[in-house]
Amino acid sequence: AQTVTQSQPEMSVQEAETVTLSCTYDTSENNYYLFWYKQPPSRQMILVIRQEAYKQQNATENRFSVNFQKAAKSFSLKISDSQLGDTAMYFCAFMIQDTGNQFYFGTGTSLTVIP
Amino acid sequence: KAGVTQTPRYLIKTRGQQVTLSCSPISGHRSVSWYQQTPGQGLQFLFEYFSETQRNKGNFPGRFSGRQFSNSRSEMNVSTLELGDSALYLCASSLYSGSLYEQYFGPGTRLTVT
Repeated sequence: AQTVTQSQPEMSVQEAETVTLSCTYDTSENNYYLFWYKQPPSRQMILVIRQEAYKQQNATENRFSVNFQKAAKSFSLKISDSQLGDTAMYFCAFMIQDTGNQFYFGTGTSLTVIP
Repeated sequence: KAGVTQTPRYLIKTRGQQVTLSCSPISGHRSVSWYQQTPGQGLQFLFEYFSETQRNKGNFPGRFSGRQFSNSRSEMNVSTLELGDSALYLCASSLYSGSLYEQYFGPGTRLTVT
């Protein structure tokens, strides 16, 4: 079975500070992709960052970076210089390669950026 | 380019009724996936359609069904509604089916079953 666990239901961070959101997953597959999605209040879900499991180098996207530990099946998201617009629900997800578009999502972490 | 659109945005139904939700993908996209989002369960995959064929199906009862038309627009249907079907239903479209292609989510349809 494929599972994703986000153990922090809610987090908060001061504006301009750094915050790390945790995610662990479980799969017996070897080829997969990992994602972080952001869902702002009453707005559409958007892709934050993506990591190919076969790549050892951690993905970065501006203020967003990941710490991917394949052996530990851990995929945390670090947000640097937090901004008010980062307030949202963040979902960790993975997709197994070559099986179509089927995401396995975690239950989400609600992040609040405090001015 | 217009994004993924879903209609209706809000819906209230009674137990036992059926409902049809619609998703129009981004122009040129051929894959449409559907997800159910609830506070307790998070997002759960319902099914994916690619070129009018169901490619994947999640672990949902047969009351949940879908289809895709030749213009890639997709509908999902839920028959004999139950209170537990109350959720936000999201669809996502991508150019093709497969993890190489970014998926774009719609705003969702909020279904309330009373």
